[in-house]
Formats: sequence, structure tokens, C-alpha cells
Amino acid sequence: KAGVTQTPRYLIKTRGQQVTLSCSPISGHRSVSWYQQTPGQGLQFLFEYFSETQRNKGNFPGRFSGRQFSNSRSEMNVSTLELGDSALYLCASSLAGRNTDTQYFGPGTRLTVL
Amino acid sequence: AQTVTQSQPEMSVQEAETVTLSCTYDTSESDYYLFWYKQPPSRQMILVIRQEAYKQQNATENRFSVNFQKAAKSFSLKISDSQLGDAAMYFCAYRSGQGAQKLVFGQGTRLTINP
Repeated sequence: KAGVTQTPRYLIKTRGQQVTLSCSPISGHRSVSWYQQTPGQGLQFLFEYFSETQRNKGNFPGRFSGRQFSNSRSEMNVSTLELGDSALYLCASSLAGRNTDTQYFGPGTRLTVL
Repeated sequence: AQTVTQSQPEMSVQEAETVTLSCTYDTSESDYYLFWYKQPPSRQMILVIRQEAYKQQNATENRFSVNFQKAAKSFSLKISDSQLGDAAMYFCAYRSGQGAQKLVFGQGTRLTINP
């Protein structure tokens, strides 16, 4: 079974632009979570989607948004990019989003904002 | 809010030796899960081991085992017979037993294996 895939793997943008990152979960998985990883702040939870609905959201500004499609693929969007948005963005999928489920991570998208 | 603390930013160990990585957490919940994830350089994060808070028995996975001290809110990872492939960042993580899949991570410990 293929693992979690994320596209693109690398992105370079300039301040003020917007960006869309994509995550394809493991086949059959319906829950997708997004995390931001930076050297200063570590790994921080952005949001979780299950059955096309956002179930939980971390403490990030409204510039960060996401959605999930009927095939469980998820996208996150960052508008009006700032230098501080440079980070590794990870997504993780789990089978049904239950407490007992294990989350499997993708390789991440490294975003650089110039 | 829950917090996870890893007090050792870096650790090193000789190949074939044993090393223990520390993790403490703070929560008022009684139902939760604890995890150790491994992130090798430029590679994706993988689950090493998980522990359900309601289980008293410490989890083990081959050379990896945990020492779960619920009252002390401590969750350390022991790696036995360290191998070069164990070199990575190790993250301790907490997840509530109520609802969402949100993981709260510690700052990580970079483990170096010396040949």
C-alpha cells in the first residue's frame, strides 16, 4: 500500500504570495492532519479534516486554511505569505480518526518564503 | 493545555550500547496516548512506539521500549543495541483520548550513533 504522499516536495515563494500544498492519504484513510515544523517553534498542529469537515484547528492565523475532498485528499492554503511561514509542512493520515488509530506521516513540503 | 518537554536537545551513544531519551508531559486528562516518533535526516517521520495511558504495562517494540510513569508524567524511550540507522531526531508526542487527532510534540532530541 502506498504511503502518504505530499506535493510538491519543495516550494519557493515570495512574501505576499499565496501557496497551496497537497496531501494524499494512505488508501482507505479518512482523517488528514497538518503540522508545521520550524526550528524555532518545533512541530505545531494546524488542523485536522475528517470526511470533508474540519474537526479541530490549531492556533494559527486565518491565512492558513484547508479543505478535504470526497476522496480524502487534502489541501492547505497559505495566503499573503510571510517570511515566518518558511517551514516544513507535514501531513499525517489515519484510518478513521479514532483515538486508537495510528497517524502516518508524509515526507513533507518544504516551503521557503523569500 | 497539554505540554510535552524533552530536556535533552542532543544525545550520543556508541553503536551497540543502550541509550535512554527523556520525556515529561503535563495534562489534567486521564485518557490519553503517548508516542515516540523518529525523523531521520531528510526522511519522513515514522512511529517508533505508542503507549495507552490506561495500560500499566510498558510498551516494547523489538529494541525499543518505554518506561511509562503515569504519576510522575514521565515517558522515556530506551533503545537497546543501538544501530547506525537509529540516528535521527526523536520526538515525544501526546494525544488526548477525547476526539481529534491532534498531536502535541516535544522539541525533539537529536540522537547520534558513534561507530
